[in-house]
Formats: sequence, structure tokens, C-alpha cells
Amino acid sequence: QQQVKQSPQSLIVQKGGIPIINCAYENTAFDYFPWYQQFPGKGPALLIAIRPDVSEKKEGRFTISFNKSAKQFSLHIMDSQPGDSATYFCAAFPRGANNLFFGTGTRLTVIP
Amino acid sequence: NAGVTQTPKFRILKIGQSMTLQCTQDMNHNYMYWYRQDPGMGLKLIYYSVGAGITDKGEVPNGYNVSRSTTEDFPLRLELAAPSQTSVYFCASRPRLAGGEDTQYFGPGTRLTVL
Repeated sequence: QQQVKQSPQSLIVQKGGIPIINCAYENTAFDYFPWYQQFPGKGPALLIAIRPDVSEKKEGRFTISFNKSAKQFSLHIMDSQPGDSATYFCAAFPRGANNLFFGTGTRLTVIP
Repeated sequence: NAGVTQTPKFRILKIGQSMTLQCTQDMNHNYMYWYRQDPGMGLKLIYYSVGAGITDKGEVPNGYNVSRSTTEDFPLRLELAAPSQTSVYFCASRPRLAGGEDTQYFGPGTRLTVL
């Protein structure tokens, strides 16, 4: 059973567009929500993260929007660039636990 | 710091063979993890460790074994390799932070093919 549901599976946007990747969860024990970025042939790397006590967090061109009541969160990439082409994973960390639960990933392609 | 290193980068095994995937971190992290990544399936946790001498099963532990005799090393053992174990394997580590934030640092991965 997938604890964190991620969509879409793949996404193609033009340079300058704003791709949006969505994630949803059911477990109310989750209290930390990171996003990881993975380039081909590399391991994932932390991109940005949020706690459920805020509705939005922005770092550079990357923004997480968080809707606690709907148990959904999303990643927005402003002014997307070809260098943003990568696979993005959302994840969730349960309070008091030892490990993350990952979404299935979204392969983003930004066309020049 | 080298961070998290994994060896080998690539390996082809025959069905029934065994091998050990090596993982080392030089950040003095307590927690270490092994994941496998299959296309369209995301990252599945195989085993993890919260410190030297302590390991626990993740979501998909069957066919694998681990040990953690030191803080730095967390090898993953495959016994009797099967085609279903063809995957990319990632090792990760994280510190034990007071705030509970979980920044995992990943190695570059090992691409394993079982034929």
C-alpha cells in the first residue's frame, strides 16, 4: 500500500512554465514533508521541506504548498529551466518514526 | 567529506550468485538506510539501522541481509540472487537531529542486473 500518492508520473513543460507536482497522504502521524530531486545516474538530494504548521514555503524558484485539512501538498517550480529536468519525489516522515515514506516519483522534462 | 559512498557502481550477477553491496559514510550519522529503486515505483526501503549493532526490516527485506558493526559501514548482502532483484540500490544516511527533521543523504547508487 502506497502511503504517499504522487502525481503525475511524468510532466513536460516549456521553459518558463510552472510545473506542479501533487502528493496526498492519509496518515495523520506524518509531520515532516520533504521533496527530493534526482538527476539521471545520481542519488536523490533534498530540495525543500515543510512542516504542517505552515501552508507555504518558498526557496528560490521552488515552492511547497501544504493543505493540512485535505492532506495534500504540492511542489511548484517557478520559471522552470531545462536544468530542472529531473525526477522529483515527495516524501513524508511520521512523528517518532525512523524512516521516510516516498512517493512514486515524477519525471519532469523542461523543453528549451 | 566524501559523504555516502557505494561500491560497486555496476554489477551483473547470475541467478543464484551472492554478493555484498558496500556503503560507507564519513559524516558520523547514526541512521543508515538501504533502498531499491524500480522504474515507476519510487524508493522502497529494504533495511535500516539506527546505530551500530542495531538493524531493522523495511518494506521489502526478503532476499537481503544487513549488518552494522561500525557507525560508518552498512553493507547489504544478497544471497541467491534472483531476476526480481534487478534494480538500482541506494544507501542513505542521516544524523539524529533534535528537531526530528529528516534530511537523508544518498549515495550514488549501485545498478544491479541479475540474469
